[in-house]
Amino acid sequence: DTGVSQDPRHKITKRGQNVTFRCDPISEHNRLYWYRQTLGQGPEFLTYFQNEAQLEKSRLLSDRFSAERPKGSFSTLEIQRTEQGDSAMYLCASSLQGMTEAFFGQGTRLTVV
Amino acid sequence: DAKTTQPPSMDCAEGRAANLPCNHSTISGNEYVYWYRQIHSQGPQYIIHGLKNNETNEMASLIITEDRKSSTLILPHATLRDTAVYYCIVREVDNYGQNFVFGPGTRLSVLP
Repeated sequence: DTGVSQDPRHKITKRGQNVTFRCDPISEHNRLYWYRQTLGQGPEFLTYFQNEAQLEKSRLLSDRFSAERPKGSFSTLEIQRTEQGDSAMYLCASSLQGMTEAFFGQGTRLTVV
Repeated sequence: DAKTTQPPSMDCAEGRAANLPCNHSTISGNEYVYWYRQIHSQGPQYIIHGLKNNETNEMASLIITEDRKSSTLILPHATLRDTAVYYCIVREVDNYGQNFVFGPGTRLSVLP
């Protein structure tokens, strides 16, 4: 296992379309985080899972956004009816309970045209 | 909001030590100091973390002041590949999976 894997790396979509991103955490990491990063800013927290339970959601996560982690392994982040303001890098991170650091994937860069 | 303050940018000559400061004057007793960096178009990379004592690993050293209100990340021999945005983050001891709150960070440019 080489780290947190995200797919796709890049996505271009038309405004109004739905998109889904996938994150595969490091094996046995039971915590999984989603972040969003716009140009020139630090990553902003979106949501967090412990196993399959979604324990925290940011106010940034509007009702067009939904995240799942059905079996406590990989996670998906779906954005419905995309808007140009959704254009950003979407980052996933994972950690093991009791471990203090989290490890990030390379991100999915979304461009809404 | 981020609980840390960092200079927006710094330059460092290749081969010299890079000293990146961070202020966290409101840090509480159960909060760690973490450093991550982000090279262009990549995800953030964990560097080091500490609670009270100074820490060193193969990447860097972390010096935390005695009152814990500030810290310095030291890259002992900076190379061009260390050019990145460096984020200083304070975060509670992880019992509940508290998320990492990133500020704008310090953009370090290592110059040849």
